[in-house]
Amino acid sequence: TQLLEQSPQFLSIQEGENLTVYCNSSSVFSSLQWYRQEPGEGPVLLVTVVTGGEVKKLKRLTFQFGDARKDSSLHITAAQPGDTGLYLCAGAFYNQGGKLIFGQGTELSVKP
Amino acid sequence: SQTIHQWPATLVQPVGSPLSLECTVEGTSNPNLYWYRQAAGRGLQLLFYSVGIGQISSEVPQNLSASRPQDRQFILSSKKLLLSDSGFYLCAWTGGYNSPLHFGNGTRLTVT
Repeated sequence: TQLLEQSPQFLSIQEGENLTVYCNSSSVFSSLQWYRQEPGEGPVLLVTVVTGGEVKKLKRLTFQFGDARKDSSLHITAAQPGDTGLYLCAGAFYNQGGKLIFGQGTELSVKP
Repeated sequence: SQTIHQWPATLVQPVGSPLSLECTVEGTSNPNLYWYRQAAGRGLQLLFYSVGIGQISSEVPQNLSASRPQDRQFILSSKKLLLSDSGFYLCAWTGGYNSPLHFGNGTRLTVT
């Protein structure tokens, strides 16, 4: 059974600070997605990465996919209170028919 | 455009009572459909997924079952609820391999 390890589970920072969230597996991902979730709502897709070494940027968010496609990171520059929420990584594995397995989530709180 | 409907939004049920949660998708055909459960705002646990009518894969042994009577309809059921079935249930669909998940707004189930 493939597992995703996401860290840290909780992060509380001041506005303007930078942060990085990590997502790792012992198996190779066919693709990996990052989601953000607000309380009481379903997660919303931020980005999909497919190619090893890929880097994608979404305003102040930078997503990296490891060369070996076993890890990914989400880096937020100059965090703002509006970034507060639950961040989830979800991976698809080659021998799992495309189903997505989620990490444990990172609960981010950005204080003004 | 595609939309996903999930109901009810909240549900309070006594232990031992039956359960039926319904999810429908509009604007697409032959979607992959998923039921996830989320405890206390943490990561999502995959319960069931379906790649076609009548095709259900169960991920964890549990008190729940799923059915897909029509192409764009996915139902989560239980004959007798347990206290441990409480949680936030999310339905989602994808267009296929490596495609992003599109979530409904979830059902908050409390078993008393």
